[in-house]
Amino acid sequence: DVKVTQSSRYLVKRTGEKVFLECVQDMDHENMFWYRQDPGLGLRLIYFSYDVKMKEKGDIPEGYSVSREKKERFSLILESASTNQTSMYLCASSWAGSTDTQYFGPGTRLTVL
Amino acid sequence: GENVEQHPSTLSVQEGDSAVIKCTYSDSASNYFPWYKQELGKGPQLIIDIRSNVGEKKDQRIAVTLNKTAKHFSLHITETQPEDSAVYFCAASNNAGNMLTFGGGTRLMVKP
Repeated sequence: DVKVTQSSRYLVKRTGEKVFLECVQDMDHENMFWYRQDPGLGLRLIYFSYDVKMKEKGDIPEGYSVSREKKERFSLILESASTNQTSMYLCASSWAGSTDTQYFGPGTRLTVL
Repeated sequence: GENVEQHPSTLSVQEGDSAVIKCTYSDSASNYFPWYKQELGKGPQLIIDIRSNVGEKKDQRIAVTLNKTAKHFSLHITETQPEDSAVYFCAASNNAGNMLTFGGGTRLMVKP
């Protein structure tokens, strides 16, 4: 069965802290994605990776960076967390090609105080 | 870039009634339109999708229709059940960049 796991379900951090969100998939997918989910705004793409060490900016990359050192793992980094980054963060993976099903993790609810 | 708008943002129906969620998109090059369902505490999961070479697709109680001329597509759920209660997202893709653009979501509540 397909599985995407995220390191934490809930996370509370302070303004200015460096935050790491980890995502692991067990399907050998080429593509991995980080989305941010806010009420009324749907899912907005932060970054996407189509191969190890490769990345592309999504719609809202400001304030975020990513790392993909291994095919199965994709990390989202908030270099200096701010209160406006309080949100639900969703990781997803898919086979290569934009018409392939994206499989999502359960999400991480991040609160920045 | 692509812009996807979704309506309504919330929808309440009685069990057994039908529910319709509508989306419009802006990029005429878009050719793939999936629908995802997000249950409480879970990530979104694909429930049905449609490609631009067809106008309608059905899977048991759910169906999706596509009007490329008007650039809109809709999700239809018939004989709704309490377990259909969830947040539904539409999305669009033009195959060019491996990326989906999602609508704002619809919270569907099915009252027993």
